[in-house]
Amino acid sequence: AQKITQTQPGMFVQEKEAVTLDCTYDTSDQSYGLFWYKQPSSGEMIFLIYQGSYDEQNATEGRYSLNFQKARKSANLVISASQLGDSAMYFCAMREANSGNTPLVFGKGTRLSVIA
Amino acid sequence: GAGVSQSPSNKVTEKGKDVELRCDPISGHTALYWYRQSLGQGLEFLIYFQGNSAPDKSGLPSDRFSAERTGGSVSTLTIQRTQQEDSAVYLCASSVSAIAKNIQYFGAGTRLSVL
Repeated sequence: AQKITQTQPGMFVQEKEAVTLDCTYDTSDQSYGLFWYKQPSSGEMIFLIYQGSYDEQNATEGRYSLNFQKARKSANLVISASQLGDSAMYFCAMREANSGNTPLVFGKGTRLSVIA
Repeated sequence: GAGVSQSPSNKVTEKGKDVELRCDPISGHTALYWYRQSLGQGLEFLIYFQGNSAPDKSGLPSDRFSAERTGGSVSTLTIQRTQQEDSAVYLCASSVSAIAKNIQYFGAGTRLSVL
């Protein structure tokens, strides 16, 4: 069964600094996708970045990058040059490619607070 | 273009009443998902529709929960005889199709409070 673990319930970071949010996953499939979403206080889930299990390079999207270590089953999100607007809940999620049931499985999230 | 639209944004109801939550997916998206997010928790899968196939109902917590999707577009999640433990944010998402790398786009959710 798929499982996502986010061990940091809350994180603080100084504005303009970089921060890493941890995510480990468990799956028996060789083919899967990893996602990060941001959920601000408004409640909407905003897609940030995607990493496929066969992608050789780490995904990047602007200030977001994914530190993908397949052997360790980790997919940490790195946010560079933090901004006050980055304060939100961040969720790591996974979907197995070969699963007939394709909803995302989410971790419990990390609350990031950016300090001025 | 328009994103995923959910209504109402907030719903307060009395225990035992039925409620209907609506989701209007992004135009052209064939896959539609319902999730539930309880306070301080991650998202829990409820039900998933893909095109005209029979829905995957494996995440529904009880037979009080049901959902339908009419014409392959708008979906309605119905909770009958609501209980206090049903209080949560109900999120709907859609994607172009159901393959693994397709991104799911979420609506802003319906916050349900059962008194």
